[in-house]
Amino acid sequence: GQNIDQPTEMTATEGAIVQINCTYQTSGFNGLFWYQQHAGEAPTFLSYNVLDGLEEKGRFSSFLSRSKGYSYLLLKELQMKDSASYLCALANQAGTALIFGKGTTLSVSS
Amino acid sequence: GAGVSQSPSNKVTEKGKDVELRCDPISGHTALYWYRQRLGQGLEFLIYFQGNSAPDKSGLPSDRFSAERTGESVSTLTIQRTQQEDSAVYLCASGPGQKETQYFGPGTRLLVL
Repeated sequence: GQNIDQPTEMTATEGAIVQINCTYQTSGFNGLFWYQQHAGEAPTFLSYNVLDGLEEKGRFSSFLSRSKGYSYLLLKELQMKDSASYLCALANQAGTALIFGKGTTLSVSS
Repeated sequence: GAGVSQSPSNKVTEKGKDVELRCDPISGHTALYWYRQRLGQGLEFLIYFQGNSAPDKSGLPSDRFSAERTGESVSTLTIQRTQQEDSAVYLCASGPGQKETQYFGPGTRLLVL
């Protein structure tokens, strides 16, 4: 089976940097995704890591270490609109499903 | 272009009734997925379709749940004899192929009274 852990809630200030961690235990997976979900809306794709290392995409970066069972999403220059839930998900080896963590709710204040 | 669309947006039903939820994937996407999100919980995988291959039904919670897809177009998720624990947001996603990024629809909010 697969177990994915993320902090439930985080708070940060506008303009700051925040790191959202995701740890997992799994027998194998195809890649790791991060999605953003605003309240009452659909999840939207942020990033995808297959290999170890850092993927940078504007203000957002995602890191994966398969040997440590660990990923993080780094958000820079926080804006109020970044207040949302951030979902860590593993793609199963067959590529037929994403296994999601419960998500981290980020609140950005001014 | 148009994203994934789902209908209805909201559905309120009585316990024991059947419901049918619809998903229109992004045109050209061969992969289609259904997920369920209960209040305060993570998304749970339900079923996966890829072209004309046999679907992966491993996530369906009971035999009251079924889904169909015609070719690479519309999919319907049917829940028979609904129970209160079926209350959730049902999300559909599509992707250009297996192991590719999934793009989610807005979901159908189902409330079973």
